[in-house]
Amino acid sequence: NAGVTQTPKFRVLKTGQSMTLLCAQDMNHEYMYWYRQDPGMGLRLIHYSVGEGTTAKGEVPDGYNVSRLKKQNFLLGLESAAPSQTSVYFCASSYPDTLHVAKNIQYFGAGTRLSVL
Amino acid sequence: SQKIEQNSEALNIQEGKTATLTCNYTNYSPAYLQWYRQDPGRGPVFLLLIRENEKEKRKERLKVTFDTTLKQSLFHITASQPADSATYLCALADSNYQLIWGAGTKLIIKP
Repeated sequence: NAGVTQTPKFRVLKTGQSMTLLCAQDMNHEYMYWYRQDPGMGLRLIHYSVGEGTTAKGEVPDGYNVSRLKKQNFLLGLESAAPSQTSVYFCASSYPDTLHVAKNIQYFGAGTRLSVL
Repeated sequence: SQKIEQNSEALNIQEGKTATLTCNYTNYSPAYLQWYRQDPGRGPVFLLLIRENEKEKRKERLKVTFDTTLKQSLFHITASQPADSATYLCALADSNYQLIWGAGTKLIIKP
C-alpha cells in the first residue's frame, strides 16, 4: 500500500517555464489537497478537490491550476513559473467521516521540492 | 481570520524527560484539533486528534490537552527519546472543514 505518491521529487525551473506535479493516492479517498510549505510558515492550501471532476480554490491559488479527472489523481499545474513559487509542495488526501465531518485526518505524500530561478 | 501560533524556536530536551509543545489559536472556536509529526524531507504524519469536548487524549507516550477557554493545546511526549526528534505541527479545522496549520515547533531530544 503506497498511500500518497508525488512525482517528481525535485525540480528546477526557469522563470516562465511551466510544469505539472502529479499526485496519486491508492486509499480510495474522496478529498485531495495541494499545499505549499515555506520556511517559518504553516502549510498553505493552494487548491483542493472533494471528488472526481471537482476542484476549489484554497488560500493561495494564484498562479496555479489543478485537475481531478480520476479519483486517485490530482494534478497541480504552474503555467508560468515565478521565483515566488519556489517552495516545497505537498499533496494530501482524506476520507471524511460522514458521521463526524470535521474529523478530516489527512495523509501526505513526501513532497516535491521546486526551485524557480 | 484564524491564526495559529507555535513556538518558532527549537525545543531542546534531555532524553528521558517530558517534552511539552504549545499551540495557541485566535479568532475561532474549532470543533477539533490535530497534531502531526514531520521529519526532514518528509510529509506530515497524523498523530492525534482531540475534540472540543475532550480535555485530554493519550496514545502511548503522547498526551494532548485542549483548553478552549485559553484557546490552547499542549502536546506532551513522556520519556522522550532521540527518535522523537522532529517538527510537530498543530492544525485546526475552519468553518469549511479545511485545516489551518501552525508553522510547527522543532523538537530536539539530546542523548
